[in-house]
Amino acid sequence: DGGITQSPKYLFRKEGQNVTLSCEQNLNHDAMYWYRQDPGQGLRLIYYSQIVNDFQKGDIAEGYSVSREKKESFPLTVTSAQKNPTAFYLCASSIVKVGNQPQHFGDGTRLSIL
Amino acid sequence: AQSVTQLDSHVSVSEGTPVLLRCNYSSSYSPSLFWYVQHPNKGLQLLLKYTSAATLVKGINGFEAEFKKSETSFHLTKPSAHMSDAAEYFCVVSDLTRDTGNQFYFGTGTSLTVIP
Repeated sequence: DGGITQSPKYLFRKEGQNVTLSCEQNLNHDAMYWYRQDPGQGLRLIYYSQIVNDFQKGDIAEGYSVSREKKESFPLTVTSAQKNPTAFYLCASSIVKVGNQPQHFGDGTRLSIL
Repeated sequence: AQSVTQLDSHVSVSEGTPVLLRCNYSSSYSPSLFWYVQHPNKGLQLLLKYTSAATLVKGINGFEAEFKKSETSFHLTKPSAHMSDAAEYFCVVSDLTRDTGNQFYFGTGTSLTVIP
């Protein structure tokens, strides 16, 4: 079955440490997205990528970095510059340049500070 | 720019009674609209989407939504709530542009509680 796989499901970060969240999709979608979800605040866009080797900042990109070396993969690094990283992180993908196409989501990674 | 307003942050219904989750959007032209459901510690699952083919859209698990252009609304309904419907629901509008591709705008979510 096609879908999006996020790993790990739970992740703990020590102060001053960078951590990387994995997102892999086998839907052959060009676009991939990273969202942060905090309680009662809905989803906020961190980064998105419409094509391999290109990505754009979303609304809350500070303290995060991404890469898009392969179509299937869009890893997110939470750097030590992100002072409040505790949240639920969701990865999504979608078809590009076709209207009425929804996003498909992974099951998320919950990041906590040790 | 597109925007989405979910009018209720929390809705509580009794099992077997109707569900109504309200969503209003702002758009300068015909939008693409979606409803998603999220269970605790899970990703978002697509319930239904509006494609302009019909104003009443049927989705999974007995949910429906009606697109009303004059009211700029896309409310989600279900005739009879089930305990398994307790979850967070998100209304989403998308915008397709030549430069930026598909952009998605999320409402802040409505938490549905179902009382036995």
